[in-house]
Amino acid sequence: NAGVTQTPKFQVLKTGQSMTLQCAQDMNHNSMYWYRQDPGMGLRLIYYSASEGTTDKGEVPNGYNVSRLNKREFSLRLESAAPSQTSVYFCASGWGLGNQPQHFGDGTRLSIL
Amino acid sequence: RKEVEQDPGPFNVPEGATVAFNCTYSNSASQSFFWYRQDCRKEPKLLMSVYSSGNEDGRFTAQLNRASQYISLLIRDSKLSDSATYLCVVTQAAGNKLTFGGGTRVLVKP
Repeated sequence: NAGVTQTPKFQVLKTGQSMTLQCAQDMNHNSMYWYRQDPGMGLRLIYYSASEGTTDKGEVPNGYNVSRLNKREFSLRLESAAPSQTSVYFCASGWGLGNQPQHFGDGTRLSIL
Repeated sequence: RKEVEQDPGPFNVPEGATVAFNCTYSNSASQSFFWYRQDCRKEPKLLMSVYSSGNEDGRFTAQLNRASQYISLLIRDSKLSDSATYLCVVTQAAGNKLTFGGGTRVLVKP
C-alpha cells in the first residue's frame, strides 16, 4: 500500500538553486495538492490540480511552479530557491469532492541556505 | 482573522482522563469538516470526518455546531499513544480545497 509517495525525503539547497519535488499516488485519485507546513502557520496550500491537465494556485503560490504529468504524478518546482522556502512540503491526493478527505505523503524536509 | 482557528495547547492530559478541544471557523458556507492527527515529524492522517449529527469512533467523539461555527473533538480514556497534534480541517461548499487550522497539541502523560 504505497498511497502517496514523495521524493526526496530531505534536501539542502543553496539560495538560487533549483529543484523539483516529485509526488506520485496509486489510488487513482482525480485531485492532487502541494502544501507547505511551517511552525505556527499550519498547512498552507501552494498549488493544486483538480484533474489531469489542470492546475490552480493556492494560498501561497509565489516562487513555485507545478506540473500534473499524468493522473498519478504531480511535481513541484522551485526555480530559484530562497531561504523563505525552507519548510516541510507535503503532497496529497483525493477524489476532489468537498466531503472527501485527502491522503498525504510523508513529506519532504527542505532547507535553503 | 484566520479562517480556521485552534488553541495550540499543549493540553497536558493524565493517562485515562478525558480531554476536549474546539476549533472555530469563520466561513458560514463551510461544508465539510474533518479532524486529522499529526505525529511529530510525520504526515497528517485522517482521524475522522465530522457529521452534522455528531459522530463517535471508539474513544473519539466529534461534534459540529453550525450556529456558533465550531467543531469539537473529545477523547475519552486517553492513551499515551494519543499524544499528537490534532488538526481541524474545513472545506468550502464550492470546491475541494481544504483549509487547515494550526493544530492543537495534546500530551498524554502517565
